[in-house]
Amino acid sequence: EAGVTQFPSHSVIEKGQTVTLRCDPISGHDNLYWYRRVMGKEIKFLLHFVKESKQDESGMPNNRFLAERTGGTYSTLKVQPAELEDSGVYFCASSLSGISGELFFGEGSRLTVL
Amino acid sequence: AQKVTQAQTEISVVEKEDVTLDCVYETRDTTYYLFWYKQPPSGELVFLIRRNSFDEQNEISGRYSWNFQKSTSSFNFTITASQVVDSAVYFCALSERWRIIFGKGTRLHILP
Repeated sequence: EAGVTQFPSHSVIEKGQTVTLRCDPISGHDNLYWYRRVMGKEIKFLLHFVKESKQDESGMPNNRFLAERTGGTYSTLKVQPAELEDSGVYFCASSLSGISGELFFGEGSRLTVL
Repeated sequence: AQKVTQAQTEISVVEKEDVTLDCVYETRDTTYYLFWYKQPPSGELVFLIRRNSFDEQNEISGRYSWNFQKSTSSFNFTITASQVVDSAVYFCALSERWRIIFGKGTRLHILP
């Protein structure tokens, strides 16, 4: 069974440009999460989808970040316009039953904003 | 607010030594989950364990063991007879409603 897949694995963009990260959760997992780790800091929660609905987006840093999960399958996280402080690794995770079950993480998408 | 502290930023031990990674947490919840994740050089976060706050039994899985002590709000992780493949960053984490709060991680180097 395929795990959580994320694309791209690494993206390098200029400040002010737009980047879209994609996450394909494990098939059948209704819960999808986005986390990110900026250099030297903790991995921080961004938001949580249950199917296509945003359960909690309180961790989104500002309105330059937009997450979608059309049809309750894959999710995208768009950063527009990107700033230097957005650099980091963006992790996606999925689970069958929320945190009472196991969260499966992807390998992360590394974003570098120059 | 929930908080996870991993005081050890980086640890180096020689292969076959035992090593313990410390984790201290703060929470106001009476029911919560604690986790350990491993991040090998390849980058993904690998789930190691989830522990319910009502279950204070220690757990052993092969060379890995976990010591959960509610009285001291600690959830320490011990690797026995460490191997080079154990080299990774290890994260302790705590549930907060439907999300996970991570510690800053401990980078573990196992030297051959």
